[in-house]
Amino acid sequence: EAEVAQSPRYKITEKSQAVAFWCDPISGHATLYWYRQILGQGPELLVQFQDESVVDDSQLPKDRFSAERLKGVDSTLKIQPAELGDSAMYLCASSTDRNTEAFFGQGTRLTVV
Amino acid sequence: DQQVKQNSPSLSVQEGRISILNCDYTNSMFDYFLWYKKYPAEGPTFLISISSIKDKNEDGRFTVFLNKSAKHLSLHIVPSQPGDSAVYFCAARVDSGTYKYIFGTGTRLKVLA
Repeated sequence: EAEVAQSPRYKITEKSQAVAFWCDPISGHATLYWYRQILGQGPELLVQFQDESVVDDSQLPKDRFSAERLKGVDSTLKIQPAELGDSAMYLCASSTDRNTEAFFGQGTRLTVV
Repeated sequence: DQQVKQNSPSLSVQEGRISILNCDYTNSMFDYFLWYKKYPAEGPTFLISISSIKDKNEDGRFTVFLNKSAKHLSLHIVPSQPGDSAVYFCAARVDSGTYKYIFGTGTRLKVLA
C-alpha cells in the first residue's frame, strides 16, 4: 500500500541551529501539505503545494521557515534558526482529486533544546 | 478563527458501549467532513468521511452523522473496543481551487476494559 514517507522520525536540535525535514508523498499526488501539530492541539497547515507551486503559505513563519518542492514530487521543510517554541510534530500529507481524504506520513517529532 | 471545533478534549467509555465524539464547524463552504484517528508518535490515519450533501455514513462500527442546519457532526463507535483508544480529529475539506483540510483540536478517547 502506498504511503507518505517522512524522515527523520525524531530530531533533537539546539536552539539557533538549522533543521530540515523531508517528505515523499504518494506517487501521483499533486497536492502536498506540511502541518505542524503542537501537543494538545490539532494539525495546523503551514504550507500547501500544488505540484511545485506554493498555493498557501499564509501560516508559515517566513522569517525562519522555508519549504520547497522543486520537481513537484518530494519536499523539504527547513527551520533556521530553530526556537524552543518550534518543538512539535511536523506532519506531511498528500492528496489527489481521486480521493476524499488526505494521506499523512508518520511525522517528524522535533524537540528544540 | 477556529473553523472546526471539538469542545471535548477527552472522553472515557466502557468497553462494549457507544462512544460519541462531537464536532462543530462554522464554514458553510466545506464539502466533506472527515474523522482521523491518531496514536502517539504516529501520523493521523483516515477513518471515515461524509459528504456535505449526506446526513449519515456508516462503515462497520463507525457511523458519522451530519446536521447541516446546526453545523454539527458526530462520530459514533459501537461497540467501543480498547484498541479504539486514541485521539480523534474532526477535519473539514474546502475546495478553494485545491483541496484544503482544516482540523479540530482533537478528542482523546479512552476505552476502558
